Amino acid sequence: AQTVTQSQPEMSVQEAETVTLSCTYDTSENNYYLFWYKQPPSRQMILVIRQEAYKQQNATENRFSVNFQKAAKSFSLKISDSQLGDTAMYFCAFMKGGGADGLTFGKGTHLIIQP
Amino acid sequence: GAGVSQSPSNKVTEKGKDVELRCDPISGHTALYWYRQSLGQGLEFLIYFQGNSAPDKSGLPSDRFSAERTGGSVSTLTIQRTQQEDSAVYLCASSGLQGRNSPLHFGNGTRLTVT
Repeated sequence: AQTVTQSQPEMSVQEAETVTLSCTYDTSENNYYLFWYKQPPSRQMILVIRQEAYKQQNATENRFSVNFQKAAKSFSLKISDSQLGDTAMYFCAFMKGGGADGLTFGKGTHLIIQP
Repeated sequence: GAGVSQSPSNKVTEKGKDVELRCDPISGHTALYWYRQSLGQGLEFLIYFQGNSAPDKSGLPSDRFSAERTGGSVSTLTIQRTQQEDSAVYLCASSGLQGRNSPLHFGNGTRLTVT
């Protein structure tokens, strides 16, 4: 079974600062995918960024980037130039290749961007 | 196009009653997932459908929970004899391809409150 650990229940930063959210995972699989989802108060889970385990290059999406350390089983999310609209719960998630088990989620980090 | 649609958005029911939650996935998506999100917790996997079949029901918490999917499209999650611990947000997600390059798209969830 896979486990995903997010060790920061809550973080707060000032607008325009850079913030890094931590995520570690445990798996014996070699083929898998990692995701960061954002959940604002509207409850909808919004995909922020994804990483294929076989790719060494870190994924980036505009202000969002990841630091994927496969050997260390670490998958942190960096948000640059944070904005008020980034305030939300952020969930790190793991999916085995094939997707049959769906996503295994961490417990989430509540990110608050202060004006 | 339309995203994943869930209904009702909110449901309040008395302990012991049965409830039915509905999920309408993105058109053409073959994979469908149900998750439960309890207050302050991450998302808990319940069940996965590929087409109309459910190869993995291991996440259903008890035999009071059942789910079906007909026509490879709409799915219903039924909870019989509801208990207070069933109170949670129930999220549905769909994807176009098993794992691989197709992330999960989530609905806005149904908030179930059992009084």
